Amino acid sequence: AQSVAQPEDQVNVAEGNPLTVKCTYSVSGNPYLFWYVQYPNRGLQFLLKYITGDNLVKGSYGFEAEFNKSQTSFHLKKPSALVSDSALYFCAVRDIPDSGYALNFGKGTSLLVTP
Amino acid sequence: DAGVIQSPRHEVTEMGQEVTLRCKPISGHDYLFWYRQTMMRGLELLIYFNNNVPIDDSGMPEDRFSAKMPNASFSTLKIQPSEPRDSAVYFCASSVSSNEQFFGPGTRLTVL
Repeated sequence: AQSVAQPEDQVNVAEGNPLTVKCTYSVSGNPYLFWYVQYPNRGLQFLLKYITGDNLVKGSYGFEAEFNKSQTSFHLKKPSALVSDSALYFCAVRDIPDSGYALNFGKGTSLLVTP
Repeated sequence: DAGVIQSPRHEVTEMGQEVTLRCKPISGHDYLFWYRQTMMRGLELLIYFNNNVPIDDSGMPEDRFSAKMPNASFSTLKIQPSEPRDSAVYFCASSVSSNEQFFGPGTRLTVL
């Protein structure tokens, strides 16, 4: 079985400050981990993924995420937040090989960046 | 590349009517996924296909829902008869094997 948890419904950050959106996962095998962003009235957009290799993954729009196996976490980070980063962020996991190619999404975290 | 195309973008119908949602995946992608998003339940996987063959339909809510993929460039999700609780945003996504999924803009369905 696989699952992913996003413990925060909302994260508020001032523009220019660093941001972190948290994600923890539970899988029986080796995880594939993903972050997606959803802007209002839009579909989800891929930000970054971890499959193997370097634990620090860099993605689109200056975002990065760190895979921590011991803490089973994959937190999304950005050094300096922009107002335009305000959106809904989803963490997703795929458990290899049991779950095939389906992703299990977290419930989402709403990020609000204030000027 | 036009990305994943979904139609219609908005659909308003009355309870009991048949609803058909359409999806054109990105050319060359061999996986196609249908999701439903609501405030209460978040993002739910309904069904996915590999090379036009349904692989896992365990997320389909009930027999009123059906999905087909007659060829590599087209898929439909049908609800018959529709009910108010089916109101949601329905997303189609496609991917190449184990890579990231690309989502369409979604169809916002309202069943009155």
